[in-house]
Amino acid sequence: EDKVVQSPLSLVVHEGDTVTLNCSYEVTNFRSLLWYKQEKKAPTFLFMLTSSGIEKKSGRLSSILDKKELFSILNITATQTGDSAVYLCAYSNYGGSQGNLIFGKGTKLSVKP
Amino acid sequence: DAGVIQSPRHEVTEMGQEVTLRCKPISGHNSLFWYRQTMMRGLELLIYFNNNVPIDDSGMPEDRFSAKMPNASFSTLKIQPSEPRDSAVYFCASGHSSGNTIYFGEGSWLTVV
Repeated sequence: EDKVVQSPLSLVVHEGDTVTLNCSYEVTNFRSLLWYKQEKKAPTFLFMLTSSGIEKKSGRLSSILDKKELFSILNITATQTGDSAVYLCAYSNYGGSQGNLIFGKGTKLSVKP
Repeated sequence: DAGVIQSPRHEVTEMGQEVTLRCKPISGHNSLFWYRQTMMRGLELLIYFNNNVPIDDSGMPEDRFSAKMPNASFSTLKIQPSEPRDSAVYFCASGHSSGNTIYFGEGSWLTVV
């Protein structure tokens, strides 16, 4: 059965720390892996990864995919209290719509002042 | 640009009542998704449509759940009869079937008492 597992489930850090969130997956016909940030409402898109070893960056956030070892990491440097959220990892596979995403349970990040 | 619009935002209903959740996707998107989110199970895909046609409803929990998409700008998710275990946040999302990501509405927070 296809699945995606995120770790840790929750994490508490202080402002300025760097964090690494993990996502491992087992899926047939893998197409892409996506990261979302969910605060109090809807998940918002962060990154989509399709190729191994190519880092995607957006400000203090970056992510990379390893298709051989079947995992991805999301890094946040110099964390701020506004980074507090649940970070969701999801995959899509061929045979379905690109947006047919299967989500992990998320990592809840709390950044303390 | 208007995003995905869901209604109602919050609903509290008694067990056994019919619940109808509504969604207006982003104009021009041809894929629409219904997700359910709970603490225990995270985000689960219930059903998705391409060009108004249901493609995969294997995530629909049971016959009490039904979804329709009568046109490109409107979809409903109906629960009849509702049960307390249906309490969750129901998200609608839309995207292009060949696109990179999907965009979520702000969710309908359902409580069945």
